[in-house]
Amino acid sequence: GENVEQHPSTLSVQEGDSAVIKCTYSDSASNYFPWYKQELGKGPQLIIDIRSNVGEKKDQRIAVTLNKTAKHFSLHITETQPEDSAVYFCAASIGDTGGFKTIFGAGTRLFVKA
Amino acid sequence: DADVTQTPRNRITKTGKRIMLECSQTKGHDRMYWYRQDPGLGLRLIYYSFDVKDINKGEISDGYSVSRQAQAKFSLSLESAIPNQTALYFCATGGYGTDTQYFGPGTRLTVL
Repeated sequence: GENVEQHPSTLSVQEGDSAVIKCTYSDSASNYFPWYKQELGKGPQLIIDIRSNVGEKKDQRIAVTLNKTAKHFSLHITETQPEDSAVYFCAASIGDTGGFKTIFGAGTRLFVKA
Repeated sequence: DADVTQTPRNRITKTGKRIMLECSQTKGHDRMYWYRQDPGLGLRLIYYSFDVKDINKGEISDGYSVSRQAQAKFSLSLESAIPNQTALYFCATGGYGTDTQYFGPGTRLTVL
């Protein structure tokens, strides 16, 4: 079946450094790629998303890039802060279908050391 | 107040018991979802509903059932709980015409 692979599963960085999380997807029909952040004891929250007609999107310290040909997309966090510590999930979806075709990656646990 | 609430937040039960997890939302969204989260497996869709009369199976619906009692309420039931249903369960909502999903805080279920 369709799947999304996410790497690494754990990432530890020093405060102020950058963090990069990478995902690959298998369904070529996917055209919507959200990223969610899950803090301890809470549900996932959308932090940024990108659609297949865009190659890159940035929002302050976070950015997402998409290579549709290679079926890769990545999350970049610059100038990391301790409050960035959380589990991050990528997902691939076919947009405008109500989300039921959303496939999530397994998650990356990010530790930012002060 | 939270837009998507789940009750209970934690539940420990025994094999064979019937369990109901409840989800309520104040976002006015038509679409509601139930996901299961297991370590190393991400989120997997159990059931989803696009309105009160609409119920659809997701990737892993076996052993589960749902009820959409109203636009704002979506319940997940385990008719006869088994230990491999021990997991974190999330309810989510989504608005018509958007792809973003809004998650509740989760219910940690342990089946002994």
